[in-house]
Amino acid sequence: NAGVTQTPKFQVLKTGQSMTLQCAQDMNHEYMSWYRQDPGMGLRLIHYSVGAGITDQGEVPNGYNVSRSTTEDFPLRLLSAAPSQTSVYFCASSYSRTGIAEAFFGQGTRLTVV
Amino acid sequence: AQSVAQPEDQVNVAEGNPLTVKCTYSVSGNPYLFWYVQYPNRGLQFLLKYITGDNLVKGSYGFEAEFNKSQTSFHLKKPSALVSDSALYFCAVRDPNAGKSTFGDGTTLTVKP
Repeated sequence: NAGVTQTPKFQVLKTGQSMTLQCAQDMNHEYMSWYRQDPGMGLRLIHYSVGAGITDQGEVPNGYNVSRSTTEDFPLRLLSAAPSQTSVYFCASSYSRTGIAEAFFGQGTRLTVV
Repeated sequence: AQSVAQPEDQVNVAEGNPLTVKCTYSVSGNPYLFWYVQYPNRGLQFLLKYITGDNLVKGSYGFEAEFNKSQTSFHLKKPSALVSDSALYFCAVRDPNAGKSTFGDGTTLTVKP
């Protein structure tokens, strides 16, 4: 039981490049989400999903796309990377879409855009 | 709209002393409240939660938190701090009618020997 697995752990992109951050969970959780963590700003929600085929925007969705074709996977796509997207990205999952259950977090992806 | 505030960026305590990390929240209904801890270069780990029932909830590693509805607070406490408790702590709130949770900005706890 691996929990929430994020890949890659580190990535450097050039401005304008695109890439996909991978997130997979093996706990059959309905709810999955992506956050970015910036110094002094806590965690900000980018996108979330309450089940396969259902996604919605969080606080800071611009510049990011998501899809949820399976229960297990929730990839985050950066369409055209910008230096403002330099951050640490966390994927999280929870068995409950109602918020009653705690979230399990991945180890994070540290992204630098130059 | 829901919101959560952690009024202290930094909390410093001596090992063996009690610690408190503060959290206040705002939601339209009855909240679900959570505390998480983050060690350097790691993801967040769940500590404890309040959903309903007893206002005092106990969690991992000897931590506890008290839900105070009148003061809209959910402060994290531990009777005797350890150096290994040094980490970044996040409070999170979820309005049951909302589709997402809101996290505070985090409080860095430093426990000195």
